[in-house]
Amino acid sequence: KNQVEQSPQSLIILEGKNCTLQCNYTVSPFSNLRWYKQDTGRGPVSLTIMTFSENTKSNGRYTATLDADTKQSSLHITASQLSDSASYICVVVSGGSYIPTFGRGTSLIVHP
Amino acid sequence: ETGVTQTPRHLVMGMTNKKSLKCEQHLGHNAMYWYKQSAKKPLELMFVYSLEERVENNSVPSRFSPECPNSSHLFLHLHTLQPEDSALYLCASSQAQRDGGELFFGEGSRLTVL
Repeated sequence: KNQVEQSPQSLIILEGKNCTLQCNYTVSPFSNLRWYKQDTGRGPVSLTIMTFSENTKSNGRYTATLDADTKQSSLHITASQLSDSASYICVVVSGGSYIPTFGRGTSLIVHP
Repeated sequence: ETGVTQTPRHLVMGMTNKKSLKCEQHLGHNAMYWYKQSAKKPLELMFVYSLEERVENNSVPSRFSPECPNSSHLFLHLHTLQPEDSALYLCASSQAQRDGGELFFGEGSRLTVL
């Protein structure tokens, strides 16, 4: 069964600090992995996509990494801002499918 | 603005009511989805309409019925719901392709069943 596990479930950090969110998956065969950001009361928005051949990809202060061998991905947030407070959801798509598997998300709170 | 519009944003209904959620996408996509989001659970796929084909999660109760009159509009008809159906219902669209296109979500409809 395809599964996506995220850790930690929740995280509180001070503004300006860095943090790393983790995603482990058992989806097979692997096609791609996306990180979505969901602000409270809003729909999720894609931050970045990782394909099999990519190890790292940046989008501003967000950097995603992928290790296809260990089936792990991470999202690193640099110099956090209050607006980074949100839920971050890891989503994995299996090869040959267009229906993704969602993780439960990591709830990030950035305090001033 | 994601190009996917959901109405209403908030809905409170009794268990005997009948209501509908509406979704419209302006992105020219050919696939539309209904997801249910409950607290501390992963997004749960309810229904997909893609290239005129309908895919559904067999665990979704029959009190939820989707309708997709064209590629830009999607409805979720609700009848005789239960309190445990209270959740955020998210509509999404994508360009259906093998290996998954990016999902574009609406703002969601927050449903409360009394």
